[in-house]
Amino acid sequence: DAGVIQSPRHEVTEMGQEVTLRCKPISGHNSLFWYRQTMMRGLELLIYFNNNVPIDDSGMPEDRFSAKMPNASFSTLKIQPSEPRDSAVYFCASSPLTTYEQYFGPGTRLTVT
Amino acid sequence: EDQVTQSPEALRLQEGESSSLNCSYTVSGLRGLFWYRQDPGKGPEFLFTLYSAGEEKEKERLKATLTKKESFLHITAPKPEDSATYLCAVQAAQNDYKLSFGAGTTVTVRA
Repeated sequence: DAGVIQSPRHEVTEMGQEVTLRCKPISGHNSLFWYRQTMMRGLELLIYFNNNVPIDDSGMPEDRFSAKMPNASFSTLKIQPSEPRDSAVYFCASSPLTTYEQYFGPGTRLTVT
Repeated sequence: EDQVTQSPEALRLQEGESSSLNCSYTVSGLRGLFWYRQDPGKGPEFLFTLYSAGEEKEKERLKATLTKKESFLHITAPKPEDSATYLCAVQAAQNDYKLSFGAGTTVTVRA
């Protein structure tokens, strides 16, 4: 069974450009999470979806960040415009209804120059 | 606010040299404590969930235990392939989704 799929795996962009990260959760999982990981701040929850509905976006750092989940098998995290301080590894995770365990994707390493 | 502190930050072991990692936590009502393993360039990999004090879980050379204030991850006779960063996270009882992560312990096992 495939795990969480993220694309792209690496993204290098210039400041001011729009960046879109993509995630396909594990089939049958009803919860989806976007995290950001940096050396300074560790793993931080950005946003949580339950049954495709955003429940908690309090971790989204600024209005430059937005996330959508148009259906149960796809989610995007968009940064517009991007800034160098957005450089980090972004993870998507999903969780089934029956347990609280979260399963992480391989991440997208974003570098904004 | 939930707090998770992991120690030590880094641990260097000789192959076969058993040791323990500590995860101290402060949470308003614990729903669960989670251990993850993270290899360089990869996402965290789920290992264990512990729900109540006194609970223990094992997987190969790893054993996780839980008290009311902390959790330990014991590594018995480690091998080089056990080298990774081990992350601890807590989930409070008042929500069913938010994990608060510690900074992790990076374990290096030398052959």
